[in-house]
Amino acid sequence: EIVLTQSPGTLSLSPGERATLSCRASQSVSSSYLAWYQQKPGQAPRLLIYGASSRATGIPDRFSGSGSGTDFTLTISRLEPEDFAVYYCQQYGSSPITFGGGTKVEIK
Amino acid sequence: EVQLVESGGVVVQPGGSLRLSCAASGFTFDDYTMHWVRQAPGKGLEWVSLISWDGGSTYYADSVKGRFTISRDNSKNSLYLQMNSLRTEDTALYYCAKATASGSLDYWGQGTLVTVSS
Repeated sequence: EIVLTQSPGTLSLSPGERATLSCRASQSVSSSYLAWYQQKPGQAPRLLIYGASSRATGIPDRFSGSGSGTDFTLTISRLEPEDFAVYYCQQYGSSPITFGGGTKVEIK
Repeated sequence: EVQLVESGGVVVQPGGSLRLSCAASGFTFDDYTMHWVRQAPGKGLEWVSLISWDGGSTYYADSVKGRFTISRDNSKNSLYLQMNSLRTEDTALYYCAKATASGSLDYWGQGTLVTVSS
């Protein structure tokens, strides 16, 4: 099983600042089958990034993903008020599919 | 518009059984792999199971293998999760989700709450 470790657990930032979230895998993620999701309180997760770096439909270009192998990054270039949420990475290249523990981006 | 609507969540005693349903609309259901993902109260996401477009392939998390069974009825655009031998640690909000062709999950329902408690 591929274990995904997200860091930091909590990121305290102000609107307009840059957010950098990390997702590290215990083994190489096959063919960059790595996705990022955003979840707000009381809502279902929303797909942001798939294939490590491709934005999902309707996702603003301030969200970007990068990385390969075992190290992946989600960057939010300038935080908007609606971006404060919990973010999860997920690998779907090998079974079982696994999620990281999440990073909470909170308002400083 | 893609819609996924889960139902069937209730309070059940440990050792009990339950069947969750997910009604899909707005896309060609039998073209896509479908998943169940759960989230315990205040916790992160945990993948539970997936089923291929034709039901021919199924996969499970180790935590539910042998107790849960995923199935689908493409004639009814519906996904199911039969849950047996329920444990308190199965308490969670259960989401159904549609997979893209590459495997990420692009649409999610709002979830149905399963509480396992005596």
